[in-house]
Amino acid sequence: DQQVKQNSPSLSVQEGRISILNCDYTNSMFDYFLWYKKYPAEGPTFLISISSIKDKNEDGRFTVFLNKSAKHLSLHIVPSQPGDSAVYFCAATGANSKLTFGKGITLSVRP
Amino acid sequence: ETGVTQSPTHLIKTRGQQVTLRCSSQSGHNTVSWYQQALGQGPQFIFQYYREEENGRGNFPPRFSGLQFPNYSSELNVNALELDDSALYLCASSRDYNDYNSPLHFGNGTRLTVT
Repeated sequence: DQQVKQNSPSLSVQEGRISILNCDYTNSMFDYFLWYKKYPAEGPTFLISISSIKDKNEDGRFTVFLNKSAKHLSLHIVPSQPGDSAVYFCAATGANSKLTFGKGITLSVRP
Repeated sequence: ETGVTQSPTHLIKTRGQQVTLRCSSQSGHNTVSWYQQALGQGPQFIFQYYREEENGRGNFPPRFSGLQFPNYSSELNVNALELDDSALYLCASSRDYNDYNSPLHFGNGTRLTVT
């Protein structure tokens, strides 16, 4: 039973345009959500997070939106750059502090 | 500031053997978590250690065991290896398991292949 779902395996966008990566979750006990980026042969790198008491968090080109009623979050990257090409994982956690990850989405930013 | 380091980077073992993977946590971090990432999947939580004690475990059998040492480095041991254990094993450290402002910092992983 997948509690964190990233239903699109890949996304391709043009450099300079917006990338929107989506994530859905099923567990109502999750109260903190994170996005990680992973390049080949490297470990995941923390990108941005959001608490369940907020609906938006912004850090430079990256913004995460949380819709608790829909159990949906999204990561917006604008403008997208070729260096953003990587696998992006959505993750969620609750009181037990363990992270539950989605399967990831491969983002390709075309020059 | 030294990040999370894992050794070895790659390992090939035979079914039934035992393996030990090692992890040095980032300076100032007292919590270490281990994750298994199978091909095409997201990382799956194995267990977490906080100040040398196990502090949570995922759905992995007892043949997956671990240790955390006084310097907060950690080991993951897997006994009686099975073909399905082939995966990337990721170690992550954080300042405190309860601190949401301290996200996990991952190492580059150990790629284990079981033949």
